[in-house]
Amino acid sequence: AQTVTQSQPEMSVQEAETVTLSCTYDTSESNYYLFWYKQPPSRQMILVIRQEAYKQQNATENRFSVNFQKAAKSFSLKISDSQLGDTAMYFCAFMKQTSGTYKYIFGTGTRLKVLA
Amino acid sequence: DTGVSQDPRHKITKRGQNVTFRCDPISEHNRLYWYRQTLGQGPEFLTYFQNEAQLEKSRLLSDRFSAERPKGSFSTLEIQRTEQGDSAMYLCASSWETTDTQYFGPGTRLTVL
Repeated sequence: AQTVTQSQPEMSVQEAETVTLSCTYDTSESNYYLFWYKQPPSRQMILVIRQEAYKQQNATENRFSVNFQKAAKSFSLKISDSQLGDTAMYFCAFMKQTSGTYKYIFGTGTRLKVLA
Repeated sequence: DTGVSQDPRHKITKRGQNVTFRCDPISEHNRLYWYRQTLGQGPEFLTYFQNEAQLEKSRLLSDRFSAERPKGSFSTLEIQRTEQGDSAMYLCASSWETTDTQYFGPGTRLTVL
């Protein structure tokens, strides 16, 4: 069974600094999708970045980038130039669809606080 | 289109009562998903629809839970004979394809007394 592990329940970072959130997953599949979602306090969950497993190039979205290590089953999120608005829960998620069977599994989240 | 909406935002009910939640997805999205999120946890997948067809149901979705999407637009999630363990945030999301970005609604927070 697929699992997603986020080993850092809470992290903090100074404004303008860089922080890396870790995520590991377990699967026997070769084709799948990985996501990082952000859930600000009392606000809706939004997608930060996504990575297709068949792509070797790491995804980037402005200040957000990932380090995708397929063999190690690791998918970390790097936030550069942290801003106060980055304060949120961050969830790593795994998605796989095979012959109509659909799996979307979230980790337990990392609470990130950006300090002024 | 203003995004995914859910109604009600909060629901307090007594154990044993039935409750129904509604989700209105982004209009052009034909995939709709339901998740449950308890405090301190990530969302857990419950079920998803492609248009009006319910294609996948998690084992978490006991027989007290039923979801519908009758016309391929809005969806309802009903919980019968609620239990205290049903207290959670119920999230709805929609997308065009299953591999596309999911857009989440604000959730319905259920409290069962």
